[in-house]
Amino acid sequence: EAGVAQSPRYKIIEKRQSVAFWCNPISGHATLYWYQQILGQGPKLLIQFQNNGVVDDSQLPKDRFSAERLKGVDSTLKIQPAKLEDSAVYLCASSLRGKGPRGGPLTKNIQYFGAGTRLSVL
Amino acid sequence: DAKTTQPPSMDCAEGRAANLPCNHSTISGNEYVYWYRQIHSQGPQYIIHGLKNNETNEMASLIITEDRKSSTLILPHATLRDTAVYYCTGNQFYFGTGTSLTVIP
Repeated sequence: EAGVAQSPRYKIIEKRQSVAFWCNPISGHATLYWYQQILGQGPKLLIQFQNNGVVDDSQLPKDRFSAERLKGVDSTLKIQPAKLEDSAVYLCASSLRGKGPRGGPLTKNIQYFGAGTRLSVL
Repeated sequence: DAKTTQPPSMDCAEGRAANLPCNHSTISGNEYVYWYRQIHSQGPQYIIHGLKNNETNEMASLIITEDRKSSTLILPHATLRDTAVYYCTGNQFYFGTGTSLTVIP
């Protein structure tokens, strides 16, 4: 079974530039997540998609970050314009399902993570 | 969201059991506890999860206290490849800072 694919693996940009990351989840996984992981910290959820709809984007800085999941498969995360504090690893994960009805947890909802994209903003 | 607290670092001798604790006192009654680990330069990898009962799989064992306020991940025979950051999550979406486990030869 192929895992979650992310590209690029590394990206270096200057502040105020734009950048985009791509994620291809595991085939058949309805739910896709984007996380930001700053050095020394755990992953922080930015946005969760269920198929092609947004379930949770409460921690996404919407003034500069955007994400889409067209056709409910691949997803892109964009930053425009980038700031120095955006330097981090951006992780994509997928699972068979996400939050249950009314936001409750599901019995078995293992997340499978990609290797991430390491972004350096200079 | 259920917040978790873990010691920042631990050492374990190779071949010995590694016991990693986690406090999740704010977890709600129907939230599962999940454990993941992250090896340098890789994404987190699922280890195990549980609700009330203790669980065991090929990677580890999970002991959850009766009041569900804390749990312990047990790696029965730690190897050098188990050196990683271990995260427990109360709802799979809050990872905290985890425990950096170093297995010593």
